[in-house]
This record gives sequence, structure tokens and C-alpha cells, in this order.
Amino acid sequence: ETGVTQSPTHLIKTRGQQVTLRCSSQSGHNTVSWYQQALGQGPQFIFQYYREEENGRGNFPPRFSGLQFPNYSSELNVNALELDDSALYLCASSLREGNTEAFFGQGTRLTVV
Amino acid sequence: KQEVTQIPAALSVPEGENLVLNCSFTDSAIYNLQWFRQDPGKGLTSLLLIQSSQREQTSGRLNASLDKSSGRSTLYIAASQPGDSATYLCAVNPSNNAGNMLTFGGGTRLMVKP
Repeated sequence: ETGVTQSPTHLIKTRGQQVTLRCSSQSGHNTVSWYQQALGQGPQFIFQYYREEENGRGNFPPRFSGLQFPNYSSELNVNALELDDSALYLCASSLREGNTEAFFGQGTRLTVV
Repeated sequence: KQEVTQIPAALSVPEGENLVLNCSFTDSAIYNLQWFRQDPGKGLTSLLLIQSSQREQTSGRLNASLDKSSGRSTLYIAASQPGDSATYLCAVNPSNNAGNMLTFGGGTRLMVKP
């Protein structure tokens, strides 16, 4: 167990709706990254939060947004859901200072119908 | 733009075999490289992390090597077991960032038959 927890584990939404996914980072970690993993592919980097600010972003549109809270937990919000947003969403926490390894949660499986 | 490729995409071997999984990356300016294991529908479990200054790391039956200049890493699994069946992913961490903004390969799906 990594100590990184994600909720919910599964979610079904309708196209056009909005969704919020949550991640609690491992104790002592101050950086949270979010990834999207389509079926049969490797994870794709969405964005990273450090000290409550977005610290880097991959090739995802603005309807993917996030937050990090003072306790370093994080949310991923997706607006105007599209069918292609169906994927496993993974969060990873790490300690930025010293650039330690990333620890991943179990993921949230999002299905858009 | 960094691209990571893993070969083969899938591998099926009998129990007990030693095997090698390959990972290549196009930009050698990396900070570190991680190997992960993923069971179906689950999250990622970190197996090994190699810093750019290191040549290899070992953990039990696993050994990962890194040749940064040629853009290659290999994961060696000794005496494979059915419990090793999973998808193995490699990911590189770019040197111009602090924190893990990882670029992943597509993975190698491994099946070890009893």
C-alpha cells in the first residue's frame, strides 16, 4: 500500500456533465500529479500541483482543472465530459525536495456514456 | 518532446524463465527513470527508480539498468513466476523539472504460465 488514496473508485457520468475526482497524498508528500490512462495505453500526464499552485501541465484542454489544498490533498475537475474522457485517472504524490519517487493511488475508473 | 517506447508490447513465457523488458527514450536529458508494475484495472506499484547518475538498481529478482547516453533501460526479471504476470511500465522524469512529471511508455504486458 502506498498511502495514496483516491475516491471514488468507479464513476459513470453522462456526456456534457461535470465530474470531481479526489486524491489524498501520502503523508509528508507535498506534490500531487494527475494522469489519464486510456485502456491499453500508458498514463498521460495531465498536471501537477505543488504548494496549492499548478506547477506544470500536459497536453490537456482547460476543461481539465484542479486544486490542491493546504493538507496537500487534491481534486481533478473535468467539465463538459466527452466520451473520450472515459479512462482510469491516477494520482501520484511525491516530495518535491530531493525529487523522490512517485507513489500512485489505485485510480478512479471514469466511464462517460 | 520526449517519447518513450517499450518493446515487446506483450510477452508470454513459461515459469522459471529469465526475461528482459526494454524501454527506450528519445531525449537523454532525464533526471531519473522509474519502472512500475500495474495489475489489471489497478494503480501503479513502483518497482525500481534509477537516478540519471546510476547505471543499475536491484531489488530481489529484479534488476534495472540505465544507459542514459543511448536512451535505453532494461528490466531484468530472474526466475519468473506466475505472480509476475502484470503490465510493466517505464517512465522518465525530465531533468528540467523538480517533481515527477513523468512520461510513460505504452507498457509490456507479461504473462508467466505455470
